[in-house]
Amino acid sequence: EAGVTQFPSHSVIEKGQTVTLRCDPISGHDNLYWYRRVMGKEIKFLLHFVKESKQDESGMPNNRFLAERTGGTYSTLKVQPAELEDSGVYFCASSPQTGAHEQYFGPGTRLTVT
Amino acid sequence: GQSLEQPSEVTAVEGAIVQINCTYQTSGFYGLSWYQQHDGGAPTFLSYNALDGLEETGRFSSFLSRSDSYGYLLLQELQMKDSASYFCAVRDGQAGTALIFGKGTTLSVSS
Repeated sequence: EAGVTQFPSHSVIEKGQTVTLRCDPISGHDNLYWYRRVMGKEIKFLLHFVKESKQDESGMPNNRFLAERTGGTYSTLKVQPAELEDSGVYFCASSPQTGAHEQYFGPGTRLTVT
Repeated sequence: GQSLEQPSEVTAVEGAIVQINCTYQTSGFYGLSWYQQHDGGAPTFLSYNALDGLEETGRFSSFLSRSDSYGYLLLQELQMKDSASYFCAVRDGQAGTALIFGKGTTLSVSS
């Protein structure tokens, strides 16, 4: 079974540009999460999808971040326009529908905004 | 709000035993989890405690005391490959909801 995959693995962009991160969860996992780890700090929750619906987006820092999960499969996280403080590692995780206390994480996308 | 405290760094030698503590403050409690992350890799699930007591999985064990809002991860017979960051995490609600992480403990194992 394939794990959670994320693309790209690294992205370096200039302040003001747009970047779109992609996450492919484990097949059949209804729950999809986005997290972010800024250098030296904890992994922080951004957003939770159940299938194609946003269950909880309380962690999204501001309206420059837009997440979608069309069709309830893969998800994208777009940052527009990017700011310096958006630099960090963006993780995606997925879990099955019910009884899931384990989340399966992808390897992350390292975003550097210069 | 919810917060978790864990030491930032721990060092040990091969073959030793190390304990990584985690204290938490939560508005509701739905279990304490531990994740391991090697440099540049994905956080991977190690263990989960919903009830008080010790859960053992091979060389790793995890303990929870709900009355003390405290847990720990115990790593035995340390190996070099155990060098990684270890995160404790609590859930924000029932199964399937978001995880709230501590800042992580960097474990360095030397020979």
